Amino acid sequence: GAVVSQHPSWVICKSGTSVKIECRSLDFQATTMFWYRQFPKQSLMLMATSNEGSKATYEQGVEKDKFLINHASLTLSTLTVTSAHPEDSSFYICSAIDSRFGEKLFFGSGTQLSVL
Amino acid sequence: DAKTTQPPSMDCAEGRAANLPCNHSTISGNEYVYWYRQIHSQGPQYIIHGLKNNETNEMASLIITEDRKSSTLILPHATLRDTAVYYCIVRALQGAQKLVFGQGTRLTINP
Repeated sequence: GAVVSQHPSWVICKSGTSVKIECRSLDFQATTMFWYRQFPKQSLMLMATSNEGSKATYEQGVEKDKFLINHASLTLSTLTVTSAHPEDSSFYICSAIDSRFGEKLFFGSGTQLSVL
Repeated sequence: DAKTTQPPSMDCAEGRAANLPCNHSTISGNEYVYWYRQIHSQGPQYIIHGLKNNETNEMASLIITEDRKSSTLILPHATLRDTAVYYCIVRALQGAQKLVFGQGTRLTINP
């Protein structure tokens, strides 16, 4: 299957700072990537759809100015949590569609964000 | 996306077959049934998907009823490493469709 790399695996930051999370498709080109977040003991919640070369599409209730998504190349999408606060602490997961495998989604290993 | 209904939790003995049910009574004709699993603190892992025929791969088998309103994921010989949350998701294939996760089934494999 396809490989999606996510970095960093975990990050701790102070309240008010910004944090960038990278998602890379290592062996394929991904026109579309998705960003999810997951709180403890809950399911994954889709935040936004990231499209290469265009603006991301955000799900209802997700603040686009707080969660900045950039998909500048076919192998890299980034999520920046701006002015992070403790309530932003969560597990963030990216995924990408690999059209070589019938449009299946492959997921990164996730980033645990802790805001102090 | 159509919604799915899964039992919140299940237990299975190691070495036995684990059968995970999923109801998707409002599935549309162009929607596939996907199964993913998530082991604690990791990203979801693809298991299998199908449209209307039964499917089998090296990980599992997927049995879809003739009316497509429900399906069962079968792990033929469960091991302790199969302990995870299993998600059944319906998704249209066209147009780079997203995956919308429900609550899934927490499967525990017991020694």
